[in-house]
Amino acid sequence: DAKTTQPTSMDCAEGRAANLPCNHSTISGNEYVYWYRQIHSQGPQYIIHGLKNNETNEMASLIITEDRKSSTLILPHATLRDTAVYYCIVRDAISSGSARQLTFGSGTQLTVLP
Amino acid sequence: EAGVAQSPRYKIIEKRQSVAFWCNPISGHATLYWYQQILGQGPKLLIQFQNNGVVDDSQLPKDRFSAERLKGVDSTLKIQPAKLEDSAVYLCASSRGLAGSQETQYFGPGTRLLVL
Repeated sequence: DAKTTQPTSMDCAEGRAANLPCNHSTISGNEYVYWYRQIHSQGPQYIIHGLKNNETNEMASLIITEDRKSSTLILPHATLRDTAVYYCIVRDAISSGSARQLTFGSGTQLTVLP
Repeated sequence: EAGVAQSPRYKIIEKRQSVAFWCNPISGHATLYWYQQILGQGPKLLIQFQNNGVVDDSQLPKDRFSAERLKGVDSTLKIQPAKLEDSAVYLCASSRGLAGSQETQYFGPGTRLLVL
């Protein structure tokens, strides 16, 4: 079962920041937070991951609370092409064997409005 | 680098027929995954390979589903016989498979199966 809770859907105006929340209150100390997204009719795409520090890459920023029980994915300037389902996934830090697996929940449908 | 390739992209069959899907992972990727994604849900792992060995097939319905990765590169997933509830998108993903690293999984475009 997925270890995360996300809102079912969110809207965001084009050009504004999209802030997608995720609750993972049962996360353990050796588990990472991963974000993937899935644009309609495509396979999921990796966005970013983090353990406890905030992370930023060319696609997004990941803010993890100090107690690590929740996180927020930030798309700083959302475009229409960012419309997708966004999945927040918790995964063990021991990356071998079956621990490499990703367990997807239902995700958040983000719709960027013109 | 080329991405994960899957074929066919779409398939329509009648129940009780058989069907096979093919996946070519990114070159050099040792780990390969097959996922099933039912409409409105997130992907669910069916089977994980490391090279040509099965790491985890606990969620594969083995009475009708089978998968192989004989030479540790390409993989095929077969359903025989298909049921109506097998209608879904079948996604293949691959990763480098390096022990101890936090790896990214790269997904193919999927095969959309409709069972009538």
